[in-house]
Amino acid sequence: DVKVTQSSRYLVKRTGEKVFLECVQDMDHENMFWYRQDPGLGLRLIYFSYDVKMKEKGDIPEGYSVSREKKERFSLILESASTNQTSMYLCASIPRTSGSYEQYFGPGTRLTVT
Amino acid sequence: KNQVEQSPQSLIILEGKNCTLQCNYTVSPFSNLRWYKQDTGRGPVSLTIMTFSENTKSNGRYTATLDADTKQSSLHITASQLSDSASYICVVSAGGGSYIPTFGRGTSLIVHP
Repeated sequence: DVKVTQSSRYLVKRTGEKVFLECVQDMDHENMFWYRQDPGLGLRLIYFSYDVKMKEKGDIPEGYSVSREKKERFSLILESASTNQTSMYLCASIPRTSGSYEQYFGPGTRLTVT
Repeated sequence: KNQVEQSPQSLIILEGKNCTLQCNYTVSPFSNLRWYKQDTGRGPVSLTIMTFSENTKSNGRYTATLDADTKQSSLHITASQLSDSASYICVVSAGGGSYIPTFGRGTSLIVHP
């Protein structure tokens, strides 16, 4: 079974702090994604990566950056956390050879910025 | 612009009853459509995947249908259980090498005893 893990289930940070969210997948997938999910808005793509050291902006990259130094790990960075970044953050991955494009999701990180 | 619309936004039913969730999409070209179930506080988990040539797929008490001509899909839940309470998300992929799917906003289902 594909396993996507995220470093924290719940996180509380203060405004202005630098926040790191880690995602690790164990199936050698090339493609990895970071989404945020808010009530009534569904999942919105923040950044994605096709391979190591490669990154592309999604629909809402402002206030975020990412790092992909190893194939299995994709990090989301909030440079200076703000209250409007309080959200559920979901990581997902897909293998490059996937014909179904099915995304495998991690359990999510509920981030609260106070 | 690719879009996926789901209805209803929320639904409350009694345990044991059936229900049907709807998904309309304008994604082109079409590769496949998936239904995910997301329990509160958890990541989405795939229920069914359908390609252009498939019009029905079942997974236990969940049955998804696809009409590629009208660009509509439905998810039918039979004999609902309390554990079916969750958000159900319709996701459509365009294919053509694009790994970026289009997500619906989900239908929140609550099953009452």
